[in-house]
Amino acid sequence: AQTVTQSQPEMSVQEAETVTLSCTYDTSESDYYLFWYKQPPSRQMILVIRQEAYKQQNATENRFSVNFQKAAKSFSLKISDSQLGDAAMYFCAYRSFEYGNKLVFGAGTILRVKS
Amino acid sequence: ETGVTQSPTHLIKTRGQQVTLRCSSQSGHNTVSWYQQALGQGPQFIFQYYREEENGRGNFPPRFSGLQFPNYSSELNVNALELDDSALYLCASSFSGGTGELFFGEGSRLTVL
Repeated sequence: AQTVTQSQPEMSVQEAETVTLSCTYDTSESDYYLFWYKQPPSRQMILVIRQEAYKQQNATENRFSVNFQKAAKSFSLKISDSQLGDAAMYFCAYRSFEYGNKLVFGAGTILRVKS
Repeated sequence: ETGVTQSPTHLIKTRGQQVTLRCSSQSGHNTVSWYQQALGQGPQFIFQYYREEENGRGNFPPRFSGLQFPNYSSELNVNALELDDSALYLCASSFSGGTGELFFGEGSRLTVL
């Protein structure tokens, strides 16, 4: 079974600075998806960024980028130029290519942004 | 394009009761999945429906059941409620064979007293 581990329960960053959230996972599959979701107090999960395991290039979405290390099974999220609106719970999630829409989530990291 | 909507947003039940939560999938999506998120934890996969049939289930007992309707809306039913069932229940929809992304609703907060 796949597992996802987020070892940072809480992180803080100063507005306009950069922060990196860590995620490791365990799987025996070679093809899969990885995601970072943001969950603000409104509760709705919002997709931040996605990565297909077969792509070597790291995904980037504006201020958000990932460092995907397939051999190390590591998938960290870097947020540049942090903004107050980035404050939320962030979840790393794994999805198998073959076995439906089941997402395996980590325990989450609370990100606080200081002004 | 409408998003995923869930109802009710909040509800309170007592132990032993039954509850039904509802979800309308995003337009064009044919797959729906349900997740349970206990306070301070990551969501846990309950089950998934595709073409009105359950085709994947997490580690949840049979008193958690569901339905998917021809219009791809869905229900989650929980019988014989227990205190530990108190959680946020999230519905997510997607298109089978798509890019892998799931779109989530805002959830239904269930409190069991």
